[in-house]
Amino acid sequence: AQSVAQPEDQVNVAEGNPLTVKCTYSVSGNPYLFWYVQYPNRGLQFLLKYITGDNLVKGSYGFEAEFNKSQTSFHLKKPSALVSDSALYFCAVRDISAGKSTFGDGTTLTVKP
Amino acid sequence: NAGVTQTPKFQVLKTGQSMTLQCAQDMNHEYMSWYRQDPGMGLRLIHYSVGAGITDQGEVPNGYNVSRSTTEDFPLRLLSAAPSQTSVYFCASSRERADTQYFGPGTRLTVL
Repeated sequence: AQSVAQPEDQVNVAEGNPLTVKCTYSVSGNPYLFWYVQYPNRGLQFLLKYITGDNLVKGSYGFEAEFNKSQTSFHLKKPSALVSDSALYFCAVRDISAGKSTFGDGTTLTVKP
Repeated sequence: NAGVTQTPKFQVLKTGQSMTLQCAQDMNHEYMSWYRQDPGMGLRLIHYSVGAGITDQGEVPNGYNVSRSTTEDFPLRLLSAAPSQTSVYFCASSRERADTQYFGPGTRLTVL
């Protein structure tokens, strides 16, 4: 069975500093990995995905993620955080044979001015 | 395109009542899923569908039924509501197996 772990419930950074939100995964076969963001009282929005190819994936709003197969990690990063990046972030792995996804528990990112 | 729509936005039920949460998408997506979101527990998969007429159970299916008679609609039925089903429910759809999921705005359900 596939699984996703987000080891930090909360990440706090100062505006302008780099941010990292961690994600590790466990799958049999090739991983299909996603990051989604949720703003208060809203549904989830897609940020970026890794299917195959370059280990560094670029996504929306200046976010990027680094796929590391040996460490089974897919950490979300941004070089310079904005206050508006404050939200709940979810990492997910897609089981393409079954057509279903497993989500991590989420990490709340707070960016302080 | 309206994307993924969910109704109602809010609902309060009494224990033992039944109801249906509606989900519709206008993107001709084959794959649809229902999740519940509880504090500190992320999103948990309730039921999912890989096409019209095909549904399967997810991680937490007990107390819920689904059907998929058309590509567009994927309603979630609560058979006999319990306080443990108080949650925020999200419907999502995707075009292909490995594709991005598009989420609806959610239904906040309270069971008293």
